[in-house]
Amino acid sequence: ETVLTQSPATLSLSPGERATLSCRASQSISNYLAWYQQRPGQAPKLLIYDASKRATGIPARFTGSGSGTDFTLTISSLEPEDFAVYYCQQRSSWPPAFGQGTKVEI
Amino acid sequence: QVLLQQWGAGLLKPSETLSLTCAVNGGSLSGYYWGWIRQPPGGGLEWIGEINHSGGTNYNSSLKSRVTISPDKSHNQFSLNLTSVTAADTALYFCARAKQSTTWSRRWFDAWGQGTPVTVSS
Repeated sequence: ETVLTQSPATLSLSPGERATLSCRASQSISNYLAWYQQRPGQAPKLLIYDASKRATGIPARFTGSGSGTDFTLTISSLEPEDFAVYYCQQRSSWPPAFGQGTKVEI
Repeated sequence: QVLLQQWGAGLLKPSETLSLTCAVNGGSLSGYYWGWIRQPPGGGLEWIGEINHSGGTNYNSSLKSRVTISPDKSHNQFSLNLTSVTAADTALYFCARAKQSTTWSRRWFDAWGQGTPVTVSS
């Protein structure tokens, strides 16, 4: 079973700042990784899939990178609506688990 | 644009069966995988299982003995049944659609239902 560890647990930033979120896999998962955003009271939303591809309608300020065991989600300049919880998910091995999440707060 | 609408009983007693349904509006069950994910209060996301339009299923081994996901093609919906629930099954349950791909590893959830809160309490 592949375990995903996200860091930091909480990221305190201001609008306009750059956010860098990390997701580390316990074994190599190639590029079988996605990032989801969950705002309070809402369902998760797919941001990035296959480690670096933006989902439909996702702004260019969201960038995913990495392969193997180390992955990064970068938000180049935080907008007010970006303050949320971000989860990574792997589908390289069974079961397709999620990380524990990183909360980006003001 | 596909819209997933879900419903089901929100309050259960221990040992009862959780039953949720997810209707697919603006799209078809055919050609996609459909899944269930849950989120305990204040917690992270747990993948429960998936089904395709033909009824092929994959389940999380931690729940496999209690979970059933089934399609209802006539109504363009699919359902989740979880038997013998306990307080540990208290969570917000989401249905979701997986992106089309010939590769299991690239079936990311690109559309989600609104979530159904389920509480298990005596």
